Amino acid sequence: DAMVIQNPRYQVTQFGKPVTLSCSQTLNHNVMYWYQQKSSQAPKLLFHYYDKDFNNEADTPDNFQSRRPNTSFCFLDIRSPGLGDAAMYLCATLGQAGSGANVLTFGAGSRLTVL
Amino acid sequence: GEDVEQSLFLSVREGDSSVINCTYTDSSSTYLYWYKQEPGAGLQLLTYIFSNMDMKQDQRLTVLLNKKDKHLSLRIADTQTGDSAIYFCAESMYSASKIIFGSGTRLSIRP
Repeated sequence: DAMVIQNPRYQVTQFGKPVTLSCSQTLNHNVMYWYQQKSSQAPKLLFHYYDKDFNNEADTPDNFQSRRPNTSFCFLDIRSPGLGDAAMYLCATLGQAGSGANVLTFGAGSRLTVL
Repeated sequence: GEDVEQSLFLSVREGDSSVINCTYTDSSSTYLYWYKQEPGAGLQLLTYIFSNMDMKQDQRLTVLLNKKDKHLSLRIADTQTGDSAIYFCAESMYSASKIIFGSGTRLSIRP
């Protein structure tokens, strides 16, 4: 069963039209992340939450915002999408494996197209 | 600073072994990971290794870590068509919740 669920899987928006991507998790993990992944590139961390504490990466544009109303849900808001924001957006949670290693569990991603 | 580098492409014949290489710069990395991404999907954890180990084996997968050279490799024995994917190397630091990814190696299998 999927443990990190992202919706929608595919989102098409117009240039400048706000969009919200959602992520839910059944793992009860404290830490949740949003990554942006463009074609043939590494996932780029946008921000993460440790519980309700928001941690923004220094180079994340202001156009990207996030909300975490409770442990299970996290949202990515793109206020005015530009053509350069077309990408796969990946949500992940951080948990511990048996040996104590921190491991990320990813959702299937939301692919954003900007027209 | 933190940086993880991988070669972009690897092509192997079905049934041969694949070896995907990765270098990292942060000597304080505690765990190193290999993730697999199939087309249109999220990243799936394949395996990880603690920095005080030099080898870990899990079925067809063998991870080798050379901490002195900051070099990590993933060997896939008896490569199958289902192994076609992008493989990402990643590192994290102890008590840090930030995991840094390489740009991924696209593995293609030829008959």
